[in-house]
Amino acid sequence: DGGITQSPKYLFRKEGQNVTLSCEQNLNHDAMYWYRQDPGQGLRLIYYSQIVNDFQKGDIAEGYSVSREKKESFPLTVTSAQKNPTAFYLCASSGTGRYGDYEQYFGPGTRLTVT
Amino acid sequence: GQQLNQSPQSMFIQEGEDVSMNCTSSSIFNTWLWYKQDPGEGPVLLIALYKAGELTSNGRLTAQFGITRKDSFLNISASIPSDVGIYFCAGQLRGSSNTGKLIFGQGTTLQVKP
Repeated sequence: DGGITQSPKYLFRKEGQNVTLSCEQNLNHDAMYWYRQDPGQGLRLIYYSQIVNDFQKGDIAEGYSVSREKKESFPLTVTSAQKNPTAFYLCASSGTGRYGDYEQYFGPGTRLTVT
Repeated sequence: GQQLNQSPQSMFIQEGEDVSMNCTSSSIFNTWLWYKQDPGEGPVLLIALYKAGELTSNGRLTAQFGITRKDSFLNISASIPSDVGIYFCAGQLRGSSNTGKLIFGQGTTLQVKP
């Protein structure tokens, strides 16, 4: 089945440690995105990538880093510089639809808790 | 950044009732999307709208792209318990067509009483 996978579902880390969240898609989509969701809030864009080996900062990129070495994979690293890392992280991808790359499809999310 | 105003913030309704929610902005959008998110899961795309005035249905769901291109609404008819969740609108701003970036509303939390 085609889709987006994120692992793990739940992740616990100690403050001061870097942690990498996985995102893989087999939809053959060119673009991939990382969002952060806090309770009672909408989705905020962290980073996005429209093509392999290229990515751009979103609205809240500070304290995060990404890489896009393969079309299928877009891992997100939450660094120790991120002041409030506990959140629900969502990965999405989009391809070329009838009207372009606007239909984003989401993975199941990773809930990160940092104590 | 750009904002989408989504309302209402939450709704608590009786099973069988119809539901309506909307998103508005001061900016013009080329695309409107509606998503539903179940607790602890990723959002699922419900309906995509691409033309001003477009009215699209998906089962009991109906969404419209406002004629001014600054708003959209989602209706759910004859609600059932599994409609419970958070509904998000998302839009692609005019002028950002080469980035794929979307702006999301804050969400409408729907609760349905059996």
